[in-house]
Amino acid sequence: EVQLLESGGGLVQPGGSLRLSCAASGFTLRSYAMNWVRQAPGKGLEWVSSISNSGGSGGNTYYADSVKGRFTISRDNSKNTLYLQMNSLRAEDTALYYCAKHWASTVTTHFDYWGQGTLVTVSS
Amino acid sequence: EIVLTQSPGTLSLSPGERATLSCRASQSVSSSYLAWYQQKPGQAPRLLIYGASSRATGIPDRFSGSGSGTDFTLTISRLEPEDFAVYYCQHYGSSPFTFGPGTKVDIK
Repeated sequence: EVQLLESGGGLVQPGGSLRLSCAASGFTLRSYAMNWVRQAPGKGLEWVSSISNSGGSGGNTYYADSVKGRFTISRDNSKNTLYLQMNSLRAEDTALYYCAKHWASTVTTHFDYWGQGTLVTVSS
Repeated sequence: EIVLTQSPGTLSLSPGERATLSCRASQSVSSSYLAWYQQKPGQAPRLLIYGASSRATGIPDRFSGSGSGTDFTLTISRLEPEDFAVYYCQHYGSSPFTFGPGTKVDIK
């Protein structure tokens, strides 16, 4: 059974940093592209970032304009874990952050499994 | 960037009725790289439809998707109580992989 378990969320001050993790089980992470999607309280879904699977190189990365230059997506295939390093956090980054699995190794595929999310709150 | 618009914003229907949800893209979605997701309160989104018209594993056949180019439709043939939720369309043909704002289907 595919499972995605996010962790690392919490309360952080504006300008601060957090690193989110997504532990994958039930499938081999290295074989699939992965991504992060967020949802602000009471709002819709916003794609944040994706990483493809490009053999052992770690993959090509893609970012929403709203987080480019501040967030970094990465993966550790040996640990079956996806990460999102978030720097220079702003109040508007407050959201539930979901980890989601692409259907295949490339990012131009639908998201077939989602975790339950980890909440990030940016406030002083 | 492809912008997705969904209509209506809210659809109030009774169980057993047919629901028709629309998703319109600001430019053509290549190779029908269009998905629909269902989200219930307090839950993660769930994949319903991909490739504009293919049902995901385990999705009942009362859910169907259609369309191409810039106009797509999700149809729920007969609403069951568990279908009242928010539905999002998303394109995944090229980055950024934007979502529509969602259509809420609630009980009339």
